[in-house]
Amino acid sequence: DQQVKQNSPSLSVQEGRISILNCDYTNSMFDYFLWYKKYPAEGPTFLISISSIKDKNEDGRFTVFLNKSAKHLSLHIVPSQPGDSAVYFCAASDVGGGSEKLVFGKGMKLTVNP
Amino acid sequence: GAGVSQSPRYKVAKRGQDVALRCDPISGHVSLFWYQQALGQGPEFLTYFQNEAQLDKSGLPSDRFFAERPEGSVSTLKIQRTQQEDSAVYLCASSLKGLQPQHFGDGTRLSIL
Repeated sequence: DQQVKQNSPSLSVQEGRISILNCDYTNSMFDYFLWYKKYPAEGPTFLISISSIKDKNEDGRFTVFLNKSAKHLSLHIVPSQPGDSAVYFCAASDVGGGSEKLVFGKGMKLTVNP
Repeated sequence: GAGVSQSPRYKVAKRGQDVALRCDPISGHVSLFWYQQALGQGPEFLTYFQNEAQLDKSGLPSDRFFAERPEGSVSTLKIQRTQQEDSAVYLCASSLKGLQPQHFGDGTRLSIL
């Protein structure tokens, strides 16, 4: 039973355009959501997070949107750059319930073409 | 260094051997986590410490897996009598407590022959 789902395994976009990465979750107790970027042979790198009391958080080119009623979040990257090419993981936790462990999706490979 | 450090980066062991994986968290980080990542999958939770207390070990696959953090800093993940299905990347992460992001090391790639 996968609690965090990234249904698209890959996405290819042109440099300068917007990249939209989607994530769905099933556990309504999740209250903290994060996006990580991963290059081969490296650990995941934290990008941006959002708590359930917000519906949007922005950091430079990265914006995360949270729709609690739909149990859906998305990561927008604008403008996309070739260096953004990596695997992106969505993760969630139930911090309010006393659990800081992260539940990850399977990841999505983003390719940004020059 | 400033980040989470894991050693060794690569470990090859024969089936049945014991292995020990080390994690040096970011200085001052209270929480420390171990995850297992299989090829093509997202990381899966193994266990979690707050300081030296192991608060959750629900993700450990069997009693062959054991983790410790005796002084609330460095942690070791030990796998006894390794089996082929233990082959994976083992990731360590640390964080400040609460609504704070976890920061990951580069992992140990374990291969069991």
